Amino acid sequence: AQRVTQPEKLLSVFKGAPVELKCNYSYSGSPELFWYVQYSRQRLQLLLRHISRESIKGFTADLNKGETSFHLKKPFAQEEDSAMYYCALFLSGGYNKLIFGAGTRLAVHP
Amino acid sequence: DAGVIQSPRHEVTEMGQEVTLRCKPISGHNSLFWYRQTMMRGLELLIYFNNNVPIDDSGMPEDRFSAKMPNASFSTLKIQPSEPRDSAVYFCASSILRSQGWKESNQPQHFGDGTRLSIL
Repeated sequence: AQRVTQPEKLLSVFKGAPVELKCNYSYSGSPELFWYVQYSRQRLQLLLRHISRESIKGFTADLNKGETSFHLKKPFAQEEDSAMYYCALFLSGGYNKLIFGAGTRLAVHP
Repeated sequence: DAGVIQSPRHEVTEMGQEVTLRCKPISGHNSLFWYRQTMMRGLELLIYFNNNVPIDDSGMPEDRFSAKMPNASFSTLKIQPSEPRDSAVYFCASSILRSQGWKESNQPQHFGDGTRLSIL
């Protein structure tokens, strides 16, 4: 079955510390993965997609098919990074829908 | 581009009342999604449409929920009768799905600001 797992509900770090938000997936097809971010009481916004291999706001994520992971990383956290982060898996094959993980709340303290 | 537009932003009503949430997708997008977000269950996909046709409504919690997409620029999610446990933030999202033979080209989903629904 298709599934996205974000094992941490809350990740609390100090400003300037490295951050890694974990995401593991289960999917028999070729995975296409995304990270979405939701700042307090705002809409979800696309942060990264693995096929773009880009860095947005200092965040990067690498797809590791061997470990079925797509962890989100940033070397130095900023207070404005505090938000809810969702990992999502795109289901192809006529579905065109995303499976979201439960989300991880990142709290960056001064 | 105004993005995905949802209305109302907030709705407070008494249980038993009918609630209608509205969504205008981004012009040119042919897929539309309704999600519900709660603290307990996170983000759940309720239903989605491709080219105005409902494709998967397996996430709709029960018969009290219904969704329509009469044209490419408008969709509604209706709850009748509403119950306190329906209180949540409801998001609408849209995207482009292009089929190129056997391969699908997926574009990211763009979300609206959501409707915060409170059923008393």
